Amino acid sequence: QKEVEQNSGPLSVPEGAIASLNCTYSDRGSQSFFWYRQYSGKSPELIMFIYSNGDKEDGRFTAQLNKASQYVSLLIRDSQPSDSATYLCAVTPGGFKTIFGAGTRLFVKA
Amino acid sequence: SAVISQKPSRDICQRGTSLTIQCQVDSQVTMMFWYRQQPGQSLTLIATANQGSEATYESGFVIDKFPISRPNLTFSTLTVSNMSPEDSSIYLCSVDHPGLAGGTDTQYFGPGTRLTVL
Repeated sequence: QKEVEQNSGPLSVPEGAIASLNCTYSDRGSQSFFWYRQYSGKSPELIMFIYSNGDKEDGRFTAQLNKASQYVSLLIRDSQPSDSATYLCAVTPGGFKTIFGAGTRLFVKA
Repeated sequence: SAVISQKPSRDICQRGTSLTIQCQVDSQVTMMFWYRQQPGQSLTLIATANQGSEATYESGFVIDKFPISRPNLTFSTLTVSNMSPEDSSIYLCSVDHPGLAGGTDTQYFGPGTRLTVL
């Protein structure tokens, strides 16, 4: 079982819709959770982090964490074509090493 | 967030040669990481570099192939030795930056080095 699992996609949504990206992790002791956005040919860029159960909102982005289910998600409201990218889920199990998922490719259709 | 630069941004190299990639950070950081990202794949951690100690390599990566230096708290190098076409990849430097709002440390990435081995 992979430590951090994501659906590779591609996930295609129309402009203005909500994009929902999901991630599960295997280490129940994980403490910190991150979402990175990576445009083609560019390096990953941190967009959200969450430490506690529940929702965390930042502009059009909402991160949701459920530690009991070992599940973290990212919602993008009012999706724009510029949101088209690969989204990487990352988990820090408790040490200094961050484990990255394989990423979900998102396409937002104009 | 930390500002990270890498040199070179890209290179095309011949089989059997070596390339050293430099990573410079605008602030002192304890942890620096080197990742590889092959086309269409996610990030694979090569090694963790702490200043003043030997780098810690992940399974499948060895010091003879990927020697790393960490002479101070703002700089590191990764050398890809005796290259083969299978080493063609993007190599990313990352730093562990003090936590946001009191939380855990967060990783920030450099722009990457795109390596092609012929």
